[in-house]
Amino acid sequence: GENVEQHPSTLSVQEGDSAVIKCTYSDSASNYFPWYKQELGKRPQLIIDIRSNVGEKKDQRIAVTLNKTAKHFSLHITETQPEDSAVYFCAARKTDKLIFGTGTRLQVFP
Amino acid sequence: NAGVTQTPKFQVLKTGQSMTLQCAQDMNHNSMYWYRQDPGMGLRLIYYSASEGTTDKGEVPNGYNVSRLNKREFSLRLESAAPSQTSVYFCASKAQTSTDTQYFGPGTRLTVL
Repeated sequence: GENVEQHPSTLSVQEGDSAVIKCTYSDSASNYFPWYKQELGKRPQLIIDIRSNVGEKKDQRIAVTLNKTAKHFSLHITETQPEDSAVYFCAARKTDKLIFGTGTRLQVFP
Repeated sequence: NAGVTQTPKFQVLKTGQSMTLQCAQDMNHNSMYWYRQDPGMGLRLIYYSASEGTTDKGEVPNGYNVSRLNKREFSLRLESAAPSQTSVYFCASKAQTSTDTQYFGPGTRLTVL
């Protein structure tokens, strides 16, 4: 089955700096890779996603890149703000199931 | 639209007790999912239902049963709760179209003593 590894588990940055979170997946048949943000005590919410036929996708300050050959994808957040502080989860989909990474706790210090 | 709703929000059980977690969605989605979230473990899929009348096991199905009651509702049952089932449980749903977005409910925090 699919296995998704996510690094780092915690990440602290100064406000205005960039943050990068990386994930690797094992099943080359996976074709959809979403990123979810979960604030403390809240539900996970989709922030950006990418399909296997695309190498990069950007939405304002966040971007995701995908390297199918190496089977890894990354979340990039630029100009971080305190409200970006949360836990971020990557996931990989094969057929109708999402397999999630273990999460990255991002802290943005003012 | 309420989106995905879950009841109850909190529950405390004693070992061996049973209970059912309820999930409903009003977005006319075909697929529904149950996850558990534990510290450092991310979200792990327990069971899912790709359409009304079908259910399939996920990564961690042992100790759980599910029922897809109709298109709107998908329940998760613990027949004999164990302390290892202490967790936050999330339900999610997805449309059966080209969109892949899963929408999550607010979660149920379950403690088994």
